[in-house]
Amino acid sequence: ETGVTQTPRHLVMGMTNKKSLKCEQHLGHNAMYWYKQSAKKPLELMFVYNFKEQTENNSVPSRFSPECPNSSHLFLHLHTLQPEDSALYLCASSQAGGSARLSEQFFGPGTRLTVL
Amino acid sequence: GNSVTQMEGPVTLSEEAFLTINCTYTATGYPSLFWYVQYPGEGLQLLLKATKADDKGSNKGFEATYRKETTSFHLEKGSVQVSDSAVYFCALHPTQGGSEKLVFGKGTKLTVNP
Repeated sequence: ETGVTQTPRHLVMGMTNKKSLKCEQHLGHNAMYWYKQSAKKPLELMFVYNFKEQTENNSVPSRFSPECPNSSHLFLHLHTLQPEDSALYLCASSQAGGSARLSEQFFGPGTRLTVL
Repeated sequence: GNSVTQMEGPVTLSEEAFLTINCTYTATGYPSLFWYVQYPGEGLQLLLKATKADDKGSNKGFEATYRKETTSFHLEKGSVQVSDSAVYFCALHPTQGGSEKLVFGKGTKLTVNP
């Protein structure tokens, strides 16, 4: 595997379910990100992890719970979601703390989530 | 604060037409600037970037020049193809503040018809 992978690619869940999204990066980066992309809103940054420590939480509801066990893996645990949480969830990684030339973020293909 | 403003879409062109998607930014210092592209059903891919004033980023026939005096980074392509149909995002990475996050514009959807 190369780059940034995300599983599953598609997920349908009920409002009472608990599920997790997984992201893995094979680029040796030390920063990882979760974004939400919905039809009605622009790209929204949700969480940032830098060297496994959460450095940003953009007022995300507690029904979204991130986990970063190491610098290569990032999870997003979901529980009691609402239909308006249906969206494309994108993971990205980058090399933090370097020069401006290293600030590029590499994105995974996303998980298309539908909440019924 | 830091922000990116790009032209509202959608943009619809015929094949071989000239493309310009405007992007202006607000930031302190000298941010790095990026254009990302998102093809249908996929994540974002870096299209091109520029890290200092007057730099020109280019890739796949697309170009953008970092204009400090007008705080702009407009995307251009001389002759678009149907395969260029996608959503294009302008973004900046601030050089001050220590944050690692990118600031994205709202995206511009491009449709190229044969």
